[in-house]
Amino acid sequence: EPEVTQTPSHQVTQMGQEVILRCVPISNHLYFYWYRQILGQKVEFLVSFYNNEISEKSEIFDDQFSVERPDGSNFTLKIRSTKLEDSAMYFCASSVLVHEQYFGPGTRLTVT
Amino acid sequence: SQQGEEDPQALSIQEGENATMNCSYKTSINNLQWYRQNSGRGLVHLILIRSNEREKHSGRLRVTLDTSKKSSSLLITASRAADTASYFCATDGILRNFNKFYFGSGTKLNVKP
Repeated sequence: EPEVTQTPSHQVTQMGQEVILRCVPISNHLYFYWYRQILGQKVEFLVSFYNNEISEKSEIFDDQFSVERPDGSNFTLKIRSTKLEDSAMYFCASSVLVHEQYFGPGTRLTVT
Repeated sequence: SQQGEEDPQALSIQEGENATMNCSYKTSINNLQWYRQNSGRGLVHLILIRSNEREKHSGRLRVTLDTSKKSSSLLITASRAADTASYFCATDGILRNFNKFYFGSGTKLNVKP
């Protein structure tokens, strides 16, 4: 069964560094999303992406964040200058026209 | 806020018993979905129920939706130790045909062998 994959599974970085989280959505999906989950808290929407542009973003998704689909398969989330409070699990999701979003296993980001 | 909220926050049962988790939300929805998350892992999609549906089954899972009460329930029958996980409901928020999901805080289910 096709699935969303994410790399790396765990990323440790120092405060102020840039990180890029990578996702490979399911191949025939057209909509892509990033969510995050701070430890012990709710899963929060960050951004949705369609047709090579951001379709919606939350207030969390400030200028430090950017997303890109650099080729036909990858979907990336970049955090330019990480802060301690960016430590969280980041989930990528993808969907077709119907509303079922399929989530990847997540990348655990630890900012020290 | 449109967020779904689950209750109870935690549920502990014996293997073989049924587990019922509830979700309430605040505004009209098109779909409601249930996800499972094992500790420290990703979200696994369990079931989607549309606003014009009242009940849906998938294996040992039964989901109901009452749009008049803005609530949903997830029933896991004949629970197993492997069902131990957190369960989240997620409601949609349509904007220009793109969905973002609002997740609740989850119900932590512990099934004791």
